Amino acid sequence: GAVVSQHPSWVICKSGTSVKIECRSLDFQATTMFWYRQFPKQSLMLMATSNEGSKATYEQGVEKDKFLINHASLTLSTLTVTSAHPEDSSFYICSARDRVLGTAIEAFFGQGTRLTVV
Amino acid sequence: AQSVTQLDSHVSVSEGTPVLLRCNYSSSYSPSLFWYVQHPNKGLQLLLKYTSAATLVKGINGFEAEFKKSETSFHLTKPSAHMSDAAEYFCVAPTGGFKTIFGAGTRLFVKA
Repeated sequence: GAVVSQHPSWVICKSGTSVKIECRSLDFQATTMFWYRQFPKQSLMLMATSNEGSKATYEQGVEKDKFLINHASLTLSTLTVTSAHPEDSSFYICSARDRVLGTAIEAFFGQGTRLTVV
Repeated sequence: AQSVTQLDSHVSVSEGTPVLLRCNYSSSYSPSLFWYVQHPNKGLQLLLKYTSAATLVKGINGFEAEFKKSETSFHLTKPSAHMSDAAEYFCVAPTGGFKTIFGAGTRLFVKA
């Protein structure tokens, strides 16, 4: 299957700083990527849909100024957690679907990023 | 509206015994359904998928699932559990517009 690479796999940062997480589709083009947040022992919560060349679509309750998403190319989307606070500590996962396959519905997931804000 | 319900938050089995993880869906049309596995601090790995072809789907690591439209179910099974199967399992349904609906997840514990 297709590969989605997420980097870094873990990061520790100080309160007030910003952290950027990258999501790359390695062997396919992804017009749309998705960012999820997962709290301990819970399911994935969709944060936003990242659209190549346009603004991201955020889910209700997700602060767009807090979680900046950029999707500048067909293979890269970035999530920047700005002015991070301890409550932002979580596991963040991205996913993408293959553009070439058109209506293909299988999503490929990144390995996830464990963010710890101290 | 489409939804996915995983009926058990935790399942505990002994090594070598069968595994059953339950998933029910609701949809106004015949859906596509997936099972993913997540090991601690890892991303999600696709186990198997149903896409309107054969109703009995075989996946990796000996897992399989059967789509039963009459019961709106897509339960995941494995004849014999292995210690390495201990993980979180998600029943997942894609929607129109490329979004994905996740079940709440079932944590599988495997006892030696």
